[in-house]
Amino acid sequence: SQKIEQNSEALNIQEGKTATLTCNYTNYSPAYLQWYRQDPGRGPVFLLLIRENEKEKRKERLKVTFDTTLKQSLFHITASQPADSATYLCALSYGGSQGNLIFGKGTKLSVKP
Amino acid sequence: NAGVTQTPKFQVLKTGQSMTLQCAQDMNHNSMYWYRQDPGMGLRLIYYSASEGTTDKGEVPNGYNVSRLNKREFSLRLESAAPSQTSVYFCAITDSVYNSPLHFGNGTRLTVT
Repeated sequence: SQKIEQNSEALNIQEGKTATLTCNYTNYSPAYLQWYRQDPGRGPVFLLLIRENEKEKRKERLKVTFDTTLKQSLFHITASQPADSATYLCALSYGGSQGNLIFGKGTKLSVKP
Repeated sequence: NAGVTQTPKFQVLKTGQSMTLQCAQDMNHNSMYWYRQDPGMGLRLIYYSASEGTTDKGEVPNGYNVSRLNKREFSLRLESAAPSQTSVYFCAITDSVYNSPLHFGNGTRLTVT
């Protein structure tokens, strides 16, 4: 069965640095990848989506890459701020209904001032 | 514009009791979903409703029932609660467009003793 791994449970970085979070998957490539942010006691909030035929997507300080050879997506936050501290989830879809969306366990990012 | 509203926010049940978790949306989206989130695990899909009048099982449907009451409302029922159902439950919605992201509510924290 398909597996998805976010290979850091926690990531601590200094303010101003670039945070890089990793999402790996097994078997065949998904149709697209989504990244969400989750704050304590809240539901996930959608950030970015990247399709299998796209290499990179950007939104303000956020950048997502998708490497189907490595079976990996990287999520970057440049010029990180303490307000970026949260848990970040990646999710894979193989198309069709959103009922096919598979979530990773998440990476908890802490940005220290 | 609340988006996705879940009630109650917190609930404690004894083993064997029943309850219904409510979800309502004001975004006029067709598809609605129920997820559970447990420590150390990704979000797991319980049931979903692609459109009004239809429901389908997700990854972990056992012990749950759902009702898509109308386009706005999607409820999740635990007929006989078990400690293994202690979790945080999230309702999510999306429109029917391919690749569209999920919008989540802020969850119901359920403890079964």
